[in-house]
Amino acid sequence: QEKVQQSPESLIVPEGAMVSLNCSFSDSASQSIWWYQQHPGKGPKALISIFSNGNKKEGRLTVYLNRASLHVSLHIKDSQPSDSAVYLCAVSMANTNKVVFGTGTRLQVLP
Amino acid sequence: EAAVTQSPRNKVAVTGGKVTLSCNQTNNHNNMYWYRQDTGHGLRLIHYSYGAGSTEKGDIPDGYKASRPSQENFSLILELATPSQTSVYFCASGDAGNYAEQFFGPGTRLTVL
Repeated sequence: QEKVQQSPESLIVPEGAMVSLNCSFSDSASQSIWWYQQHPGKGPKALISIFSNGNKKEGRLTVYLNRASLHVSLHIKDSQPSDSAVYLCAVSMANTNKVVFGTGTRLQVLP
Repeated sequence: EAAVTQSPRNKVAVTGGKVTLSCNQTNNHNNMYWYRQDTGHGLRLIHYSYGAGSTEKGDIPDGYKASRPSQENFSLILELATPSQTSVYFCASGDAGNYAEQFFGPGTRLTVL
């Protein structure tokens, strides 16, 4: 069973700060990693995904994947109060349509 | 944009009662999923489906049944609800494949007294 762990559990930063969120997983054969954003009382919404080793940049978001160390990180540049949410790391299991979610990092960006 | 709706949005049930949570998607996605979200556990997969007529057990299926009568609809059924099933339930849909994004509904908050 794939295990996905996220750190830190929570984070408070001032507006404009760079935010770094971490996710480790247990299965090197995992196919893809997605990051989801969840605002209070809402369903998760996909932000960005990565499938291959290396990094991927979309707007203020950059994601880094290192399959050798089974680690992925999400970096949010110039954070805004609207970025305040729970961020979920989701790892797809090889040869299935199933995804395992981490428990999330709660981010608060102070104006 | 992908649209997944859930009903009801809030539900209070009594222990031993039957509860049906409904999900509808207009994306024509083959795959649909039911998760529950609890503090400290994150999202956990209960049941999923590859298409109309199919249901598969997820990681925590005990006490739950699922039904996929059509491409658009996927229901989660609690035949004998227990207080431990108090949670927020999310339905999601997505294309087949290991790389597919999942689109989530707004959630149903279920309280079993």
